Amino acid sequence: SQQGEEDPQALSIQEGENATMNCSYKTSINNLQWYRQNSGRGLVHLILIRSNEREKHSGRLRVTLDTSKKSSSLLITASRAADTASYFCAATSGAGSYQLTFGKGTKLSVIP
Amino acid sequence: SQTIHQWPATLVQPVGSPLSLECTVEGTSNPNLYWYRQAAGRGLQLLFYSVGIGQISSEVPQNLSASRPQDRQFILSSKKLLLSDSGFYLCAWSRPWGAGSPLHFGNGTRLTVT
Repeated sequence: SQQGEEDPQALSIQEGENATMNCSYKTSINNLQWYRQNSGRGLVHLILIRSNEREKHSGRLRVTLDTSKKSSSLLITASRAADTASYFCAATSGAGSYQLTFGKGTKLSVIP
Repeated sequence: SQTIHQWPATLVQPVGSPLSLECTVEGTSNPNLYWYRQAAGRGLQLLFYSVGIGQISSEVPQNLSASRPQDRQFILSSKKLLLSDSGFYLCAWSRPWGAGSPLHFGNGTRLTVT
């Protein structure tokens, strides 16, 4: 089953604005991760938040996790044209599970 | 620093032909290794993962197989390609810290089966 589902599927904003992407999942998780993928390239790991954490920051990135709602959000502040990419959430669940299940992603376009 | 190499970058193969995609990792020992496939506009589907030499776990029954002949080498193969095998194939590695470690991806191979 799809563990991570991102929302919206596509998002277009002006440079300098904030971008918020959401992720919902179905079962309890060990941790939740966010990745970025530039067109035609591999994914790059952005940030990991553990199931006992509620918020985490890394530079212009802010991730929140609400385990009661089974949801996470990724906020990119002061967006730049270089942030244009697809963003994926991914999660593992269950002891010893190596399957990091990815959603279909949010395609972010930042207009200069 | 650790690097991951994946080749070729693009590949066009006829239906029924064999396939071999190779991935190597440098700068780390005993990594966990993964093959993912990404269809157009879709998420990533885990195909195989390996926690050690000769140890392969398959997540999806299909026309593909994987092998790990050396600690930092992971190979994806097929004896006879199908049209449905077209897609973007990504190799990744993670530290051997158990499940849920961050993945580090190669730049992918775009496979088109004609």
